[in-house]
Amino acid sequence: EIVLTQSPATLSVSPGERATLSCRASQSFSSNLAWYQHKPGQAPRLLIYGASTRVTGIPARFSGSGSGTEFTLSISSVQSEDFAVYYCQAYNNWWSFGQGTKVEVK
Amino acid sequence: EVQLLESGGGLVQPGGSLRLSCAASGFTFRNFAMNWVRQAPGKGLEWVSGISGSGDNTHYADSVKGRFTISRDNSKNTLYLQMNSLRAGDTAVYYCAKDPVSWSGYYSDYWGQGTLVTVSS
Repeated sequence: EIVLTQSPATLSVSPGERATLSCRASQSFSSNLAWYQHKPGQAPRLLIYGASTRVTGIPARFSGSGSGTEFTLSISSVQSEDFAVYYCQAYNNWWSFGQGTKVEVK
Repeated sequence: EVQLLESGGGLVQPGGSLRLSCAASGFTFRNFAMNWVRQAPGKGLEWVSGISGSGDNTHYADSVKGRFTISRDNSKNTLYLQMNSLRAGDTAVYYCAKDPVSWSGYYSDYWGQGTLVTVSS
Protein backbone atom coordinates (compact mmCIF):
# COMPACT_ATOMS: atom_id res chain seq x y z
CA GLU A 1 0.00 0.00 0.00
CA ILE A 2 1.26 3.45 -0.92
CA VAL A 3 1.42 6.01 1.88
CA LEU A 4 0.93 9.65 0.90
CA THR A 5 2.47 12.42 2.99
CA GLN A 6 1.24 15.96 2.45
CA SER A 7 3.15 19.08 3.43
CA PRO A 8 2.82 21.47 5.00
CA ALA A 9 0.01 20.51 7.36
CA THR A 10 -1.11 24.15 7.39
CA LEU A 11 -0.29 26.84 4.84
CA SER A 12 -0.98 30.45 5.74
CA VAL A 13 -1.35 32.71 2.72
CA SER A 14 -2.76 36.12 1.94
CA PRO A 15 -5.36 36.53 -0.82
CA GLY A 16 -3.61 37.00 -4.14
CA GLU A 17 -0.51 35.05 -3.11
CA ARG A 18 0.61 31.79 -4.67
CA ALA A 19 0.12 28.55 -2.73
CA THR A 20 2.13 25.39 -3.33
CA LEU A 21 1.01 22.11 -1.73
CA SER A 22 3.13 18.97 -1.76
CA CYS A 23 2.16 15.29 -1.81
CA ARG A 24 4.91 12.69 -1.52
CA ALA A 25 4.37 8.96 -2.09
CA SER A 26 6.19 6.21 -0.21
CA GLN A 27 6.98 4.51 -3.51
CA SER A 28 6.83 5.43 -7.15
CA PHE A 29 3.57 4.72 -8.97
CA SER A 30 1.73 5.75 -12.11
CA SER A 31 0.31 9.25 -12.28
CA ASN A 32 -3.03 8.09 -10.87
CA LEU A 33 -3.20 10.96 -8.43
CA ALA A 34 -6.15 13.22 -7.68
CA TRP A 35 -6.58 16.39 -5.64
CA TYR A 36 -9.73 17.34 -3.74
CA GLN A 37 -10.87 20.51 -1.99
CA HIS A 38 -12.92 20.09 1.17
CA LYS A 39 -14.72 22.78 3.09
CA PRO A 40 -16.46 22.18 6.46
CA GLY A 41 -19.97 20.85 6.08
CA GLN A 42 -19.63 20.41 2.32
CA ALA A 43 -18.99 17.55 -0.03
CA PRO A 44 -15.37 17.14 -1.14
CA ARG A 45 -14.79 18.57 -4.62
CA LEU A 46 -12.58 16.96 -7.26
CA LEU A 47 -10.07 19.46 -8.68
CA ILE A 48 -7.40 17.45 -10.52
CA TYR A 49 -7.02 13.85 -11.72
CA GLY A 50 -4.25 12.06 -13.55
CA ALA A 51 -1.85 14.31 -11.58
CA SER A 52 -2.37 17.27 -13.91
CA THR A 53 -5.78 17.18 -15.63
CA ARG A 54 -8.04 19.90 -14.32
CA VAL A 55 -11.73 19.04 -13.99
CA THR A 56 -14.11 21.00 -16.21
CA GLY A 57 -15.28 24.09 -14.40
CA ILE A 58 -12.33 24.29 -12.01
CA PRO A 59 -10.63 27.70 -12.27
CA ALA A 60 -7.37 27.83 -14.20
CA ARG A 61 -5.54 29.12 -11.13
CA PHE A 62 -5.49 25.51 -9.90
CA SER A 63 -2.83 23.31 -11.48
CA GLY A 64 -1.34 19.92 -10.71
CA SER A 65 2.05 18.53 -11.59
CA GLY A 66 4.49 15.80 -10.72
CA SER A 67 5.21 12.13 -11.25
CA GLY A 68 6.85 9.19 -9.54
CA THR A 69 6.81 10.07 -5.86
CA GLU A 70 6.51 13.86 -5.89
CA PHE A 71 3.30 15.69 -6.75
CA THR A 72 2.27 19.32 -6.38
CA LEU A 73 -0.96 21.30 -6.37
CA SER A 74 -0.50 24.99 -7.08
CA ILE A 75 -2.94 27.84 -6.68
CA SER A 76 -1.53 30.74 -8.66
CA SER A 77 -3.43 33.51 -6.87
CA VAL A 78 -5.41 32.39 -3.83
CA GLN A 79 -8.96 33.72 -3.68
CA SER A 80 -11.17 33.95 -0.60
CA GLU A 81 -13.17 30.91 -1.69
CA ASP A 82 -10.01 28.78 -1.86
CA PHE A 83 -9.44 28.61 1.89
CA ALA A 84 -10.12 24.95 2.66
CA VAL A 85 -8.43 21.62 3.27
CA TYR A 86 -6.85 19.92 0.26
CA TYR A 87 -6.28 16.18 -0.03
CA CYS A 88 -4.24 14.19 -2.49
CA GLN A 89 -5.42 10.68 -3.34
CA ALA A 90 -3.65 7.82 -5.08
CA TYR A 91 -5.91 5.47 -7.04
CA ASN A 92 -4.90 2.25 -8.77
CA ASN A 93 -7.38 -0.49 -7.89
CA TRP A 94 -7.06 0.80 -4.33
CA TRP A 95 -7.33 4.15 -2.64
CA SER A 96 -4.98 6.05 -0.38
CA PHE A 97 -5.43 9.61 0.90
CA GLY A 98 -2.88 12.03 2.23
CA GLN A 99 -3.60 13.55 5.62
CA GLY A 100 -4.52 16.93 4.11
CA THR A 101 -3.16 20.47 3.93
CA LYS A 102 -5.21 23.28 5.41
CA VAL A 103 -4.93 26.54 3.47
CA GLU A 104 -5.79 29.37 5.84
CA VAL A 105 -5.84 33.15 5.78
CA LYS A 106 -2.57 34.73 6.82
CA GLU B 1 -27.35 17.24 -12.25
CA VAL B 2 -25.67 14.49 -10.25
CA GLN B 3 -27.00 14.22 -6.72
CA LEU B 4 -25.96 11.85 -3.93
CA LEU B 5 -27.97 11.92 -0.72
CA GLU B 6 -26.82 9.88 2.25
CA SER B 7 -29.11 8.84 5.09
CA GLY B 8 -29.23 6.41 7.99
CA GLY B 9 -26.64 7.92 10.29
CA GLY B 10 -27.22 8.37 13.99
CA LEU B 11 -26.16 7.38 17.48
CA VAL B 12 -25.49 3.69 18.12
CA GLN B 13 -23.94 1.81 21.01
CA PRO B 14 -20.64 -0.05 20.67
CA GLY B 15 -21.26 -3.47 19.18
CA GLY B 16 -24.41 -2.27 17.45
CA SER B 17 -25.37 -2.11 13.81
CA LEU B 18 -26.45 0.56 11.37
CA ARG B 19 -27.27 0.64 7.66
CA LEU B 20 -26.42 3.69 5.60
CA SER B 21 -28.10 4.48 2.29
CA CYS B 22 -27.09 6.75 -0.56
CA ALA B 23 -29.79 7.73 -3.04
CA ALA B 24 -28.35 8.65 -6.43
CA SER B 25 -29.88 10.68 -9.24
CA GLY B 26 -28.84 12.56 -12.34
CA PHE B 27 -26.85 9.72 -13.94
CA THR B 28 -27.21 6.07 -15.00
CA PHE B 29 -26.42 4.53 -11.64
CA ARG B 30 -25.63 0.99 -12.81
CA ASN B 31 -22.85 2.22 -15.10
CA PHE B 32 -20.62 3.60 -12.35
CA ALA B 33 -18.68 2.28 -9.38
CA MET B 34 -19.45 3.75 -5.98
CA ASN B 35 -17.55 4.16 -2.74
CA TRP B 36 -17.97 4.99 0.92
CA VAL B 37 -15.40 7.34 2.45
CA ARG B 38 -15.40 8.56 6.05
CA GLN B 39 -13.93 11.40 8.06
CA ALA B 40 -13.52 11.00 11.79
CA PRO B 41 -13.73 14.15 13.94
CA GLY B 42 -10.62 16.26 13.42
CA LYS B 43 -9.12 13.73 11.00
CA GLY B 44 -8.67 13.38 7.26
CA LEU B 45 -10.51 11.34 4.67
CA GLU B 46 -10.38 7.54 4.86
CA TRP B 47 -11.63 5.26 2.11
CA VAL B 48 -13.92 2.57 3.56
CA SER B 49 -15.31 0.45 0.74
CA GLY B 50 -15.96 0.36 -3.00
CA ILE B 51 -18.27 -1.56 -5.35
CA SER B 52 -18.33 -1.94 -9.11
CA GLY B 53 -21.26 -0.77 -11.21
CA SER B 54 -22.67 -4.27 -11.54
CA GLY B 55 -22.14 -5.01 -7.86
CA ASP B 56 -20.03 -8.06 -8.67
CA ASN B 57 -16.80 -6.70 -7.20
CA THR B 58 -16.38 -5.22 -3.75
CA HIS B 59 -13.37 -3.95 -1.81
CA TYR B 60 -12.86 -3.00 1.83
CA ALA B 61 -10.32 -1.19 3.95
CA ASP B 62 -8.62 -3.49 6.44
CA SER B 63 -10.14 -1.47 9.28
CA VAL B 64 -13.69 -2.53 8.37
CA LYS B 65 -13.19 -5.88 6.63
CA GLY B 66 -15.46 -8.54 8.09
CA ARG B 67 -17.68 -5.96 9.84
CA PHE B 68 -19.00 -3.76 7.01
CA THR B 69 -20.79 -4.86 3.83
CA ILE B 70 -21.26 -2.65 0.78
CA SER B 71 -24.07 -3.36 -1.64
CA ARG B 72 -26.20 -1.62 -4.25
CA ASP B 73 -29.67 -1.92 -5.73
CA ASN B 74 -29.42 -0.71 -9.29
CA SER B 75 -33.19 -0.87 -9.70
CA LYS B 76 -33.55 1.66 -6.89
CA ASN B 77 -30.43 3.74 -7.70
CA THR B 78 -29.29 3.24 -4.13
CA LEU B 79 -25.98 2.37 -2.48
CA TYR B 80 -25.84 0.79 0.97
CA LEU B 81 -23.34 0.22 3.74
CA GLN B 82 -24.27 -2.33 6.40
CA MET B 83 -22.14 -1.68 9.47
CA ASN B 84 -21.97 -4.33 12.21
CA SER B 85 -19.91 -4.66 15.39
CA LEU B 86 -19.48 -0.91 15.50
CA ARG B 87 -16.66 0.59 17.53
CA ALA B 88 -15.96 4.06 18.88
CA GLY B 89 -13.31 4.40 16.17
CA ASP B 90 -16.02 4.13 13.52
CA THR B 91 -17.45 7.49 14.59
CA ALA B 92 -17.26 9.69 11.52
CA VAL B 93 -19.11 11.48 8.78
CA TYR B 94 -19.69 8.92 6.03
CA TYR B 95 -19.72 10.11 2.42
CA CYS B 96 -20.82 8.23 -0.65
CA ALA B 97 -18.82 9.01 -3.76
CA LYS B 98 -19.30 8.20 -7.45
CA ASP B 99 -16.48 7.06 -9.74
CA PRO B 100 -16.37 8.09 -13.44
CA VAL B 101 -16.04 4.44 -14.52
CA SER B 102 -17.80 1.14 -13.86
CA TRP B 103 -14.92 -0.57 -12.07
CA SER B 104 -13.88 0.43 -8.57
CA GLY B 105 -10.48 1.81 -7.65
CA TYR B 106 -10.64 5.11 -9.49
CA TYR B 107 -10.96 8.70 -8.31
CA SER B 108 -14.42 10.03 -7.48
CA ASP B 109 -15.97 12.86 -9.46
CA TYR B 110 -19.02 13.48 -7.26
CA TRP B 111 -19.58 13.22 -3.52
CA GLY B 112 -22.55 13.48 -1.22
CA GLN B 113 -22.83 15.81 1.78
CA GLY B 114 -22.34 13.00 4.26
CA THR B 115 -24.18 11.46 7.20
CA LEU B 116 -22.86 11.39 10.76
CA VAL B 117 -22.42 8.11 12.60
CA THR B 118 -21.67 8.31 16.31
CA VAL B 119 -20.73 5.16 18.22
CA SER B 120 -21.02 5.77 21.93
CA SER B 121 -22.59 4.35 25.05
